[in-house]
Amino acid sequence: GQQLNQSPQSMFIQEGEDVSMNCTSSSIFNTWLWYKQDPGEGPVLLIALYKAGELTSNGRLTAQFGITRKDSFLNISASIPSDVGIYFCAGPKVGGANNLFFGTGTRLTVIP
Amino acid sequence: DTAVSQTPKYLVTQMGNDKSIKCEQNLGHDTMYWYKQDSKKFLKIMFSYNNKELIINETVPNRFSPKSPDKAHLNLHINSLELGDSAVYFCASSQEAGQGRGGYTFGSGTRLTVV
Repeated sequence: GQQLNQSPQSMFIQEGEDVSMNCTSSSIFNTWLWYKQDPGEGPVLLIALYKAGELTSNGRLTAQFGITRKDSFLNISASIPSDVGIYFCAGPKVGGANNLFFGTGTRLTVIP
Repeated sequence: DTAVSQTPKYLVTQMGNDKSIKCEQNLGHDTMYWYKQDSKKFLKIMFSYNNKELIINETVPNRFSPKSPDKAHLNLHINSLELGDSAVYFCASSQEAGQGRGGYTFGSGTRLTVV
């Protein structure tokens, strides 16, 4: 079945450090979305990417739509404690049923 | 006002019982979804409804029955609960069916524990 693999699975970083994570798929996507899930809450949309090669920022977050359309990257600069959570990539599969597939998630822990 | 609200937040019940989870969205979205998040935090689509009509039913046991009385509500009824049903269930909505160009708005989840 469809699977979006995220790496790393988990990260422990010091406050102030930059973070990079990625998401890869065996299928192409026309849209890549990045979500963050805080403990006890539902995922919240951070960034949406709609075009291969696109680079989009939202504050300290920057995401890129890979040119192969099979991957995407999320960077967080100058991490702060509230960045803690699980980050998911997601996208609708091209030619498939109309629903979002979610990645396996990257759990981020920021050490003050 | 909460955009997508689910009730209850927590649900603890015995095996074999029947339970329902309610979901309401006030965003005027046309499509609503149910996702299941397992203990490894993997999110998987269960159902998708567009304007009260079922458009996706992933391989979910028929003990799970979604009901959409109107496009602002999508409830999930589960019969004969099993231990493996324990998970967090998320309701979500979107403006467009699938595609997700505008992203999905999620509720805060219902943690179901079957004992």
